[in-house]
Amino acid sequence: DIVMTQSPDSLAVSLGERATINCKSSQSILYSSNNKKSLAWYQQKPGQPPKLLIYWASTREAGVPDRFSGSGSGTDFTLTISSLQAEDLAVYYCQQYYSTPYTFGQGTKLEIK
Amino acid sequence: QLQLQESGPGLVKPSETLSITCTVSGGSIGSSGYFWGWVRQPPGRGLEWIGGVYYSGSTYINRSLKSRVAMSVDPSKNQFSLRLSSVTAADTALYYCAKYGDYDYFDHWGQGTLVTVSS
Repeated sequence: DIVMTQSPDSLAVSLGERATINCKSSQSILYSSNNKKSLAWYQQKPGQPPKLLIYWASTREAGVPDRFSGSGSGTDFTLTISSLQAEDLAVYYCQQYYSTPYTFGQGTKLEIK
Repeated sequence: QLQLQESGPGLVKPSETLSITCTVSGGSIGSSGYFWGWVRQPPGRGLEWIGGVYYSGSTYINRSLKSRVAMSVDPSKNQFSLRLSSVTAADTALYYCAKYGDYDYFDHWGQGTLVTVSS
């Protein structure tokens, strides 16, 4: 199974500042058919289901604010929130969909400093 | 707008079978061309992929659960279902139904239904 490891487990950032969450896959998740990384990012606010933010490592889902961006190189991936807003308080998960069983990172809890 | 809603038993006894149904509105399971899936989340913990089902009935299931999981779909009711047999306390979780996107990420989620396994 592909292991997804996120860092840090929790993060406190001031409003308006940049937040960076990391995710590392235990092996390559490069989808050869389109040369894209099979990685998604989700946001889960308290009491709510996860919400898709990013797929193919860097493609923003429709309606997601452009302060959210994803990037990656090799087996290392990053979710960046460029200017933290109060409504961004949540747990963030990465997910690989390269091979089954699809696996998620353990989550990163983002708090407001 | 596509919406998914789980309905489950709430409480299941150990060794019994858990059954959850997901009702889809705002779109058709049969004509969507997408897979429909299940993810669970034990209280206070992370997400675990369970599997997915196509409107034709084709499934793919997490091998860690494969011997206990069955998935089905009823396009006429716009519903799909999960059955998990021989449950234990370790199966206590919030169970989400979700729609797959163009590839195997999830672009729509239900609100989740909490299933507790306890005698």
